[in-house]
Amino acid sequence: GAVVSQHPSWVICKSGTSVKIECRSLDFQATTMFWYRQFPKQSLMLMATSNEGSKATYEQGVEKDKFLINHASLTLSTLTVTSAHPEDSSFYICSARDFGGTEAFFGQGTRLTVV
Amino acid sequence: LAKTTQPISMDSYEGQEVNITCSHNNIATNDYITWYQQFPSQGPRFIIQGYKTKVTNEVASLFIPADRKSSTLSLPRVSLSDTAVYYCLVGYSGGGADGLTFGKGTHLIIQP
Repeated sequence: GAVVSQHPSWVICKSGTSVKIECRSLDFQATTMFWYRQFPKQSLMLMATSNEGSKATYEQGVEKDKFLINHASLTLSTLTVTSAHPEDSSFYICSARDFGGTEAFFGQGTRLTVV
Repeated sequence: LAKTTQPISMDSYEGQEVNITCSHNNIATNDYITWYQQFPSQGPRFIIQGYKTKVTNEVASLFIPADRKSSTLSLPRVSLSDTAVYYCLVGYSGGGADGLTFGKGTHLIIQP
């Protein structure tokens, strides 16, 4: 299957700083990518849909000014957690779908710890 | 997007066949049924996808009755490494750009 890669796999940052997470589709082009957040022992929650060349759409309750999403190319989407706080500590996962396909491919996830 | 209901947890033993059933009463005509596996601190991994009847690949089978209101993931001869959370998802009407809505999943525990 297709490969989606996230970087970094884990990151520790100080409270108040910003962290950028990259999501790349390695062998296909993705006009749309999705960002999820997963807290311990909970399911994945969709945060936002990243659209190449246009603004992302955010799910209800997700602050767009805090979670900045940029999808500048057909193979790269980035999620920046701005002014991070300890409550933002979570597992962030991206996914992408090959155009016209029905199967979603997920990255390996990024463990963010804010101290 | 159709809501799914599946058991919170299941236990089985190595070498056994495990069947996990998912209910999706409000499935739309164009919806596919997809199952994912997730290990701790990893992204979900695609297992199998189907639309109707039966689908089989090298790791699992998916049984879908005619009314498509439920589906059953069958894992043959499980091993300890199959201990994971399994998610049943419905949606992705080919070409749509909807994000997947994850339910609580089924935590499958395989014992020796």
